[in-house]
Amino acid sequence: EAQVTQNPRYLITVTGKKLTVTCSQNMNHEYMSWYRQDPGLGLRQIYYSMNVEVTDKGDVPEGYKVSRKEKRNFPLILESPSPNQTSLYFCASSYRDSNQPQHFGDGTRLSIL
Amino acid sequence: GNSVTQMEGPVTLSEEAFLTINCTYTATGYPSLFWYVQYPGEGLQLLLKATKADDKGSNKGFEATYRKETTSFHLEKGSVQVSDSAVYFCALSSAGANSKLTFGKGITLSVRP
Repeated sequence: EAQVTQNPRYLITVTGKKLTVTCSQNMNHEYMSWYRQDPGLGLRQIYYSMNVEVTDKGDVPEGYKVSRKEKRNFPLILESPSPNQTSLYFCASSYRDSNQPQHFGDGTRLSIL
Repeated sequence: GNSVTQMEGPVTLSEEAFLTINCTYTATGYPSLFWYVQYPGEGLQLLLKATKADDKGSNKGFEATYRKETTSFHLEKGSVQVSDSAVYFCALSSAGANSKLTFGKGITLSVRP
């Protein structure tokens, strides 16, 4: 089954404790991206990647890091999480770029205390 | 930069009512336009898309026409069902030098029997 898998689905943690949210897709997609969803703000793009070893900032990259060492994986790293990063996070992928339909994961709800 | 503006919500309709959700955009060049839908507890799914002016996207009874002269991409459905209750997001993509996807804030639709 074609899918985008995020882990964990839920996480409660404390300020400053490094965490990683994994994202994996099994569709051989070139393009992957991360979004955060906040009430009243919709989805905002954090980072995106056009291909292996190629990443670029989205609209709200501060406080986040990403890497794309393999085509299928695109982890989101919070080196020193803060409460304002409490949010619902989505990973997405598509065949080539943002013009193609995006396949979204089921989301990761992060709470930073 | 690019931006997407959706009408304020939430929207509550009775079953079989006509639906219009307004979406306007600001972008350079010739963006692709999308409507995504998010059902409770799930990730986003593509509902429909249009890639050039005057294109009409359609799916599951929903339609939207890419209007370059009014920079709009309004979503319509002639007769809504309870199962259409969800959050709807308008989005645009300007793939090219930077392949970014910009979302509107989303609008919650509730359809009552």
